[in-house]
Formats: sequence, C-alpha cells, structure tokens
Amino acid sequence: GAVVSQHPSRVICKSGTSVKIECRSLDFQATTMFWYRQFPKQSLMLMATSNEGSKATYEQGVEKDKFLINHASLTLSTLTVTSAHPEDSSFYICSARDPSTGGGNTIYFGEGSWLTVV
Amino acid sequence: AQKVTQAQTEISVVEKEDVTLDCVYETRDTTYYLFWYKQPPSGELVFLIRRNSFDEQNEISGRYSWNFQKSTSSFNFTITASQVVDSAVYFCALIPNQAGTALIFGKGTTLSVSS
Repeated sequence: GAVVSQHPSRVICKSGTSVKIECRSLDFQATTMFWYRQFPKQSLMLMATSNEGSKATYEQGVEKDKFLINHASLTLSTLTVTSAHPEDSSFYICSARDPSTGGGNTIYFGEGSWLTVV
Repeated sequence: AQKVTQAQTEISVVEKEDVTLDCVYETRDTTYYLFWYKQPPSGELVFLIRRNSFDEQNEISGRYSWNFQKSTSSFNFTITASQVVDSAVYFCALIPNQAGTALIFGKGTTLSVSS
C-alpha cells in the first residue's frame, strides 16, 4: 500500500480561489517533506522543502505567499495554492524521506495531484 | 553543483528491441545516491532502483538492467526486449548524502514502444 498518501488526486477550482493539497506519511515520521511541480512534458521542479515545526524553505522563483506550506505534524504537510490562476494548473507531487531506513535515503512519493484552474 | 543530464528527450522503438536510456550526473559529494523512476501517463512516480555511490555493481532485474560507472559519472538504464507497457517517461535522479536535501531530477526521457 501507499507509504505516502497525497490528496486530492484531481481538483478543479475557479480562478481566484484557494486549494489545499495534503501529503501524509503513513508508516513513518517525516521531519522533511518536499513539494514538486511538473508542467506538461517537463521535469519535476522542486518548489520547497517542508520542515516540521518550522517555516518551509522555498526555491528561487517560487512565491511563498502564493504557495503556502504548512508542516504541523511529523506525518502531514499541506500545500495551499492561494488565489489560483490558470497558469497554476499543473501536477503537484510531494515526497518524504524516511529517516529510519536506507541511511535516510529511502524516498517515497505521493500519488500526485492534478490541479486545473478554470 | 548538483546536476543530472538526460540527453535523450524522446526515444521510439519497436517492441522487442533493446533500448538504453542515458544518464550523466554531476556532484562534488563523495557519497550520493542515484535513482531511476518511471512515470506513466497517470502521473505517479514508480520507483525502479536506488544505487549508492560506493556500489558500482551492475544490477539486473528481469528485463531491466543498470550500468553504473563512476569514472564517467553515468548511470544508464537498459530495457531488454521492450514492450508496449514500457512506454512512459523515465527520470534519473540524484541525491547527495545530506540530511534534508531533495532529489534532483533530470529532464526525463520519453520512451515510446510501438507494437
């Protein structure tokens, strides 16, 4: 079964509204989770590193006020796309490193979320 | 700098052909991990292999095999006797052995296998 669960898998929202995507680690505690965005026919681009109990670290060019990340517990990180616009339509996927296995380099990905802003 | 290069953007083969997907990486770290993922049209990432920098043994798993060569900083992936179900985007990725760091992905190679 899934070790990292992401929800929703697909969401359509109206322009100007906000949408929240959840990423949960099911079998381990993830102090660090990562959020990626993937546009069609492109690679996965790291948006931000989500740290439990502290502020997320955003990659250059990613608007932190637009993409709000909250990592309030060791098993849950959320990405909120605020005031969404059609250009935010993309595939968003989270990942988490399991610190207890493989030297901390066992990495699990969520199923991904397709966001369409209309 | 950390970087992964997949020079082949798209590859098209006919079923039963063998195909090799190239991956070249750059890192200053002596300890790192390399990965291959498969991404079908549904979007999810399917883990294929993880290899650490101290293990240069080639790996074979069914029709899949991987050739890791530190001397050329390459981690190539070969599919033997390709099948239509192998059609997907394949990503090579790198992660340094530093806590809290994310995977660095190549641009991906789109493999199309026709019958």
